[in-house]
Amino acid sequence: EPEVTQTPSHQVTQMGQEVILRCVPISNHLYFYWYRQILGQKVEFLVSFYNNEISEKSEIFDDQFSVERPDGSNFTLKIRSTKLEDSAMYFCASRAGQNEKLFFGSGTQLSVL
Amino acid sequence: SQKIEQNSEALNIQEGKTATLTCNYTNYSPAYLQWYRQDPGRGPVFLLLIRENEKEKRKERLKVTFDTTLKQSLFHITASQPADSATYLCATRTLYNTDKLIFGTGTRLQVFP
Repeated sequence: EPEVTQTPSHQVTQMGQEVILRCVPISNHLYFYWYRQILGQKVEFLVSFYNNEISEKSEIFDDQFSVERPDGSNFTLKIRSTKLEDSAMYFCASRAGQNEKLFFGSGTQLSVL
Repeated sequence: SQKIEQNSEALNIQEGKTATLTCNYTNYSPAYLQWYRQDPGRGPVFLLLIRENEKEKRKERLKVTFDTTLKQSLFHITASQPADSATYLCATRTLYNTDKLIFGTGTRLQVFP
């Protein structure tokens, strides 16, 4: 079965550094998402992306965050200046056009020191 | 806005019994509810979707019900197995015209032999 792949699986960074989390969504999917999950808490929506632009974003997704689909396959999340509270598991997800079912990647565990 | 509530206490049951998990929503009746399974350190995996005009949906040993009067969905696993041990998440959209899927905190199910 096709799957969403995310790299790296773990990322450790110093506070204030920039990080880029990478995702390869399923190839024929049209809608792309980033979610995050702080340890022991719920899966939280960050941003949705469709037709090469952000369609929705949460209040968490401030000016320090950006997303990009630089080519036909990758979807990235950039955090410009990381904070301690950005430490979390970040999940990429995608879905096909008329199907509400989300396919999630295995996540990138981000640790900000 | 819409909120999803799940029992945060773990559910422990014996192998072979039926597990029943509850999802309550607080506001308007959503167009659908989704159920996902999440294993530790992994991304959610889609299980079932039930629409507001459907009372029940089945898939193998899984059954989901939707009661718009009670504002509740029940998720059943019959003949449970230790391999069913995981956290089960309920999810829906915040509004009819949004692409933002929100998740409950999940209920951890532990099936013991």
